[in-house]
Formats: sequence, structure tokens, C-alpha cells
Amino acid sequence: DSGVTQTPKHLITATGQRVTLRCSPRSGDLSVYWYQQSLDQGLQFLIQYYNGEERAKGNILERFSAQQFPDLHSELNLSSLELGDSALYFCASSSGLAETGELFFGEGSRLTVL
Amino acid sequence: TQLLEQSPQFLSIQEGENLTVYCNSSSVFSSLQWYRQEPGEGPVLLVTVVTGGEVKKLKRLTFQFGDARKDSSLHITAAQPGDTGLYLCAGAGDSNYQLIWGAGTKLIIKP
Repeated sequence: DSGVTQTPKHLITATGQRVTLRCSPRSGDLSVYWYQQSLDQGLQFLIQYYNGEERAKGNILERFSAQQFPDLHSELNLSSLELGDSALYFCASSSGLAETGELFFGEGSRLTVL
Repeated sequence: TQLLEQSPQFLSIQEGENLTVYCNSSSVFSSLQWYRQEPGEGPVLLVTVVTGGEVKKLKRLTFQFGDARKDSSLHITAAQPGDTGLYLCAGAGDSNYQLIWGAGTKLIIKP
């Protein structure tokens, strides 16, 4: 158990819809990262928040947005969903500012867009 | 743009065999991490290598960082079904704050 909690574990929705994925980081970790992983592929970095502030942005589509709340949990909002958005979405947390430290990953949210 | 290429993309072998997977780049990395992701789970950090030429062992797994810090290898001795998973390498690039991720090697160990 990494200590990172993601909900929901599975989500099925239709094209054009909007969903919100939630992540609670490990206790004490200030950084939250979001990644997208398509079937058996590597991780695509989407965005990082550190202590409530956006820290780094990767290949995140304009239809996607995220935020980190004062209690440090984070949400990833995906809107105007397309078939190609079907993927595993992982949240990770770390204690420090840098992604290059040890990351602790949640179990992921599997999104299926029909 | 820094890239990390992992090879092979897919490997399926019998229990008891040895194997090596590679993580290569034309760029220099200040450190490199290896993660293992089991089916239905998130990636878990196995090791971080920092010094050129460094070798780290984790039971039957041996990790090596190239002398020039541009490549790394993971060797598994006497593979077991529990080694099955997706092996990801990630390097600390120019910014030293963000990782460059490889696409992964999917490993299946058949009993």
C-alpha cells in the first residue's frame, strides 16, 4: 500500500461528457502528480502541484484541468471526453518539489469512454 | 528534447531464465530510476542510480548505470513469475526537477 488513494477505480462514460478523478496523497506529501497511461504504454506526465500551486505542466490537453486543495488532495477534471481519452490515470505524490525524488503511485483510475 | 528508449518492448520467457532489459539515450542524466508496475497496480520504485558505472543489486535484480550516464540496464537472474510486470525507466533530465520516462518493457515470466 503506497498510501496514495485514488477514486474512482473504474469509470465508464460517453463521449462529450465530463468526469472528475480524485487523489489523496500520502500523509505529509506536498507534491501531487498526474499521469496518463494508455494500454501497456509508458507514463505521460500531465501536471504537478506543490502545496496548492501548479508547479509543472506536461502534455496536458486544454480540455483537462487540475487543482490541489488546501488539504492537499487533488482533482483532475476531464471534459468533452473523446474515445482517445480512454486510459489509466495515475496520481503520485512525493514529499519534495522534484519529480526526481521517490514517487508513490496510487492504483489508478481506469477511464473508458464509449 | 531528451528521450529514453527502452528495449525490448516486450519479453516473454520461461521461469528460471536470465534476462536483460535496456534503457538508452543520447542524453546525459543526473540520475535514473527503475520502476516496476504489476498488472492493476501503480508503478513502484525499485532503485535509483546516480553515479556513472554504478551497480546496485536487489536480490536477483542487478541495475547498472552506464559510465557516461546515458544508459542503464536491468538484469534479472533466474526469473520467477512474480517478476512479471511492466518495467519503466525514468531519468532526471536537464531541469533536474522532472523525469523523462521510457515507454517501458513488458515482461512475462511463464511458470
